[in-house]
Amino acid sequence: DQQVKQNSPSLSVQEGRISILNCDYTNSMFDYFLWYKKYPAEGPTFLISISSIKDKNEDGRFTVFLNKSAKHLSLHIVPSQPGDSAVYFCAASAGLNSGNTPLVFGKGTRLSVIA
Amino acid sequence: DTGVSQDPRHKITKRGQNVTFRCDPISEHNRLYWYRQTLGQGPEFLTYFQNEAQLEKSRLLSDRFSAERPKGSFSTLEIQRTEQGDSAMYLCASSLGFGTSVQETQYFGPGTRLLVL
Repeated sequence: DQQVKQNSPSLSVQEGRISILNCDYTNSMFDYFLWYKKYPAEGPTFLISISSIKDKNEDGRFTVFLNKSAKHLSLHIVPSQPGDSAVYFCAASAGLNSGNTPLVFGKGTRLSVIA
Repeated sequence: DTGVSQDPRHKITKRGQNVTFRCDPISEHNRLYWYRQTLGQGPEFLTYFQNEAQLEKSRLLSDRFSAERPKGSFSTLEIQRTEQGDSAMYLCASSLGFGTSVQETQYFGPGTRLLVL
């Protein structure tokens, strides 16, 4: 049973437009959420995170929104650039609730930004 | 700070052989994690250490897998009697955790890609 779901395997966006990547989770114990970006043959690179006490966190072109009641989070990238083309993973942990620090990942969404 | 490093980056082995991977975390990080990623999937947790203590192991970590972090610095992951199903990317991550503060960010290394023939 997948606790973190990224239902869109792929997404194509025009350069300069907004990219919205979605993630749903089922475990209500999750209280910390992260987005990672991954290029082929490399490890995931940390992008941005959000704690369950917040509903929005912004860092430059990247903004993460958290809707706890819907158990849903999204990553907005604006404006999208060709270098953003990669696989994006949503991850969650239940640290404060259970002391359980290992991350649970979704299957990823492949973003293609078209010039 | 050079980030998390892993060695080797690639390993091809024959079924039944033993392999060992090494991970060097970011120097001041006290927590170290091993994950495995197969094609089309996200990384899956295998095990983690806080300093030299191995605190949790996943059901994915069969008896053929063993991990150590002898001095609380680098870690090794050994797979004995490899099987074709062990073919995957093995990822190491590290983080700095303080006591009960567990909302820490994990930083990943480049991974070791294992192919078992």
